[in-house]
Amino acid sequence: GQSLEQPSEVTAVEGAIVQINCTYQTSGFYGLSWYQQHDGGAPTFLSYNALDGLEETGRFSSFLSRSDSYGYLLLQELQMKDSASYFCAVAGQTGANNLFFGTGTRLTVIP
Amino acid sequence: ETGVTQSPTHLIKTRGQQVTLRCSSQSGHNTVSWYQQALGQGPQFIFQYYREEENGRGNFPPRFSGLQFPNYSSELNVNALELDDSALYLCASSSRDRAYEQYFGPGTRLTVT
Repeated sequence: GQSLEQPSEVTAVEGAIVQINCTYQTSGFYGLSWYQQHDGGAPTFLSYNALDGLEETGRFSSFLSRSDSYGYLLLQELQMKDSASYFCAVAGQTGANNLFFGTGTRLTVIP
Repeated sequence: ETGVTQSPTHLIKTRGQQVTLRCSSQSGHNTVSWYQQALGQGPQFIFQYYREEENGRGNFPPRFSGLQFPNYSSELNVNALELDDSALYLCASSSRDRAYEQYFGPGTRLTVT
C-alpha cells in the first residue's frame, strides 16, 4: 500500500519561512511532487524531486531524501497569498504516471 | 491559465442516477487523469488514459468508467450514484514523460441527494 503523512495545519507570519514535511511509504517510488490548492481552486504544480537534494524555484524550494522516505517544501518570504493547502504526491503502484496525494497541509499566513 | 477545462461546474443528481463529466486537456498533453476530492482531503486517483486506453486505475469500483477521445478530451462516467460519490471531480492533463507535473482543471462539484 501507500501512505503519505503531512501535518494537517501550519500557521506562520508574513515574511517568515515555513517548512512543510512529508513522509511516505510506497511500494514503487519515482519522485515526490508538491501541489498548491487555494480554497475553491484547482491544485497547481509547484515542484518535483526525483533525486536526493534541494530544488529551488523562486521563493519555493523542495527537498528529498530517498533513504529516509522524506521530503519537505520550504516557503520563504511568506506572503498572504500563500495561504492555501499544500499536498505532497508520489507516483502510484499502477505505474509512474499517476499521483497518490497526501491529505494536505493547510497553511495560514497571518500579518 | 492551465488550459484544462471541465464541464459542468456544478451538478446535482439523485442516488441511483448516472452522470457524465467532461474534460478538455491542455494543448500538447496526451495523458489525462481523473481524481475524486472529498472536502478536506487530497485528490484520490480514479484512473488515467493514454492514447485512448486506460493506463492505470485506483481503488474505485467498475461503476466508475471513462473514455479518452482522439483529440485527448475525456469523459468520466459514474453509474448507480451513491451519496458518498458527492465530491469535487478533477481532471488533470500531462505529457507522458512528465506525468509528475499535472495540470488540473477547475473541477466539477457533484452533489448526490
